[in-house]
Amino acid sequence: EVQLVESGGGLVQPGRSLKLSCAASGFTFSNYYMAWVRQAPKKGLEWVATISTSGSRTYYPDSVKGRFIISRDNAKSSLYLQMNSLKSEDTATYYCARWHTIGYYYFDYWGQGVMVTVSS
Amino acid sequence: DIQMTQSPASLSASLEEIVTITCQASQDIGNWLSWYQQKPGKSPQLLIYGATSLADGVPSRFSGSRSGTQYSLKISRLQVEDIGIYYCLQAYSAPLTFGSGTKLEIK
Repeated sequence: EVQLVESGGGLVQPGRSLKLSCAASGFTFSNYYMAWVRQAPKKGLEWVATISTSGSRTYYPDSVKGRFIISRDNAKSSLYLQMNSLKSEDTATYYCARWHTIGYYYFDYWGQGVMVTVSS
Repeated sequence: DIQMTQSPASLSASLEEIVTITCQASQDIGNWLSWYQQKPGKSPQLLIYGATSLADGVPSRFSGSRSGTQYSLKISRLQVEDIGIYYCLQAYSAPLTFGSGTKLEIK
């Protein structure tokens, strides 16, 4: 059974940093692209970052480019999101998701999410 | 960026009714579209990929279709467990963009 378990969320002040983790199990982690998607309170879904199988390629939307860094440790089956220079608008639930890239592209599995609150 | 205009924003329907949700892409995205269901308090789950393919384990009352740049998700016979928010996602080009969501309730 595929499982994605996020951790590391919490309350952080504007301008500070926070690192999220996602522990994956139930599949060969190194064979899959992975991603982070967030959802602000009572709002819709927003793609945050994607990383290739080896970690050599990363992709971000303009809203987080230069502030967030996605990374992975295939030996530990873990995905990370380093969030720097946090802003109030980064307040959201952050989901770790597996990005299916054979044939069509889509998120086929999601974690339960971890809440990040940016506030003074 | 590709815009995904989703409608309606909310929908109230009766049990066993047919429900249709649509997403209009701002440009051609081929079949690079997927649909997700988010039940209250839960994470999103994949329903449809490639615009028309049903994901594993998803009931057959769900179906996806495409007409040009308009994409539709149909629930053929609405059930209580179908309440939640539905989102489309385009994966034709970066940045990946979601529709704004459709909140589905039972009348």
